[in-house]
Formats: sequence, structure tokens, C-alpha cells
Amino acid sequence: EIVLTQSPGTLSLSPGERATLSCRASQSVSSTYLGWYQQKPGQAPRLLIYGASSRATGIPDRFSGSGSGTDFTLTISRLEPEDFAVYYCQHYLNSPRPFGQGTKVEIK
Amino acid sequence: EVQLVESGGGLVQPGGSLRLSCAGSGFTFGTYEMNWVRQAPGKGLEWISYISVSADYIYYADSVRGRFTISRDNAKNSLFLQMNNLRAEDTAVYYCARWIDYWGQGTLVTVSS
Repeated sequence: EIVLTQSPGTLSLSPGERATLSCRASQSVSSTYLGWYQQKPGQAPRLLIYGASSRATGIPDRFSGSGSGTDFTLTISRLEPEDFAVYYCQHYLNSPRPFGQGTKVEIK
Repeated sequence: EVQLVESGGGLVQPGGSLRLSCAGSGFTFGTYEMNWVRQAPGKGLEWISYISVSADYIYYADSVRGRFTISRDNAKNSLFLQMNNLRAEDTAVYYCARWIDYWGQGTLVTVSS
């Protein structure tokens, strides 16, 4: 069973800075089925990235995804005030379809 | 506009049952895979069930297999989750999701005596 481990647990940064979030799989996974979500308090998750590197509809280009095999990265090039949130990765092929435990991006 | 609206949550005693519904609109419901995902208070996301377009593939997380049943009615643009033998640890906000791209706002299930 695939386990996704996200790091760091919390990232403290200032607006305008670059954020780099990691998602590591316990075994190699197809990048076609790796996604990233953003969740703000009291809201449903929002899809940011699918297929490891494709931006979902309406997602600004400051969000980018990369990686393959067991190591995947979500990068926010310049943090905007609305980007402070929790971010999750997910592998969505077959079963189970695990999420990582999340990375909180907070204002420093 | 794609919309997903969950309903059916509430307070239930341990061992009880609930049936959640998810109404889809703004898209051709019968052409999309669907998922249920839950989030316990203050915790992360937990995928719990998947159903293919024609319901020929159905998957469950180990935590709910044998107690929960996912189903869909494409004619009524609806997704369901029948939850039986509920436990305190099933307390969570339950989200339905179209594939992975659109999510409802969730419905709260509280299991408590």
C-alpha cells in the first residue's frame, strides 16, 4: 500500500517568497496520477495540479508541480496573501487513493 | 457551473446508520468517476470510496470496507454513501468529489451518544 509523506509539516514564509513543498511516495508511482490540493479553513479542497505538473482550470501560473517516481514537488514561485493554506498531495490510481498528511504554509 | 451538493449528515448514535447524498449539476454526471473523501475535525483528508462511471469498479478504504456502500444514479445525477455500524471515529465532514477536480462543500456527520 502506497503511503505519501509530505514535508515539511509547516512552512513559515513571508509574502513574495518562494515555497517548496515535498511529497514522497513509499514506492514508485505514476506521475499521471499525482495531484496537489489547497485547502483553506472552513472550505473544501481545491485542485491545483493533476498529473504531477498540469495546472487545473483557473490556477495561477505561480503554482507549478514537478517530480516522478517517488519524489514530487509543489512550488509556489511568489507567495500571495491568499496562498497561506494547507496543501495536500494525493495518488489517485486504483485503491487505495491516499493523501499525504498535509503541509501548512503560514505567514512568518 | 459545476456544482456538487452533499446532504444527509447529522448526529447519529454509535452503531447507527446514515445515507449521504451528493447532487451534481452543471456537467454530464454520468460521464465522471466519483469519490467520497472525509475529514475528521482538525485532521487531514482521508479518501474513503470511489465509483466508476457505470459502477463496475468500486473501491473502499480499509477503514470503511464492509460498513459503507457507495452507489450512484446517473439518471438522477446523484451519488450516495450508505453508512452502517457507525463509530465515533467516523465523525467527520464528508465531501463528494467529481473525479479529483470539483468538490462539494461537505456535510458533517457526528457519531456520538
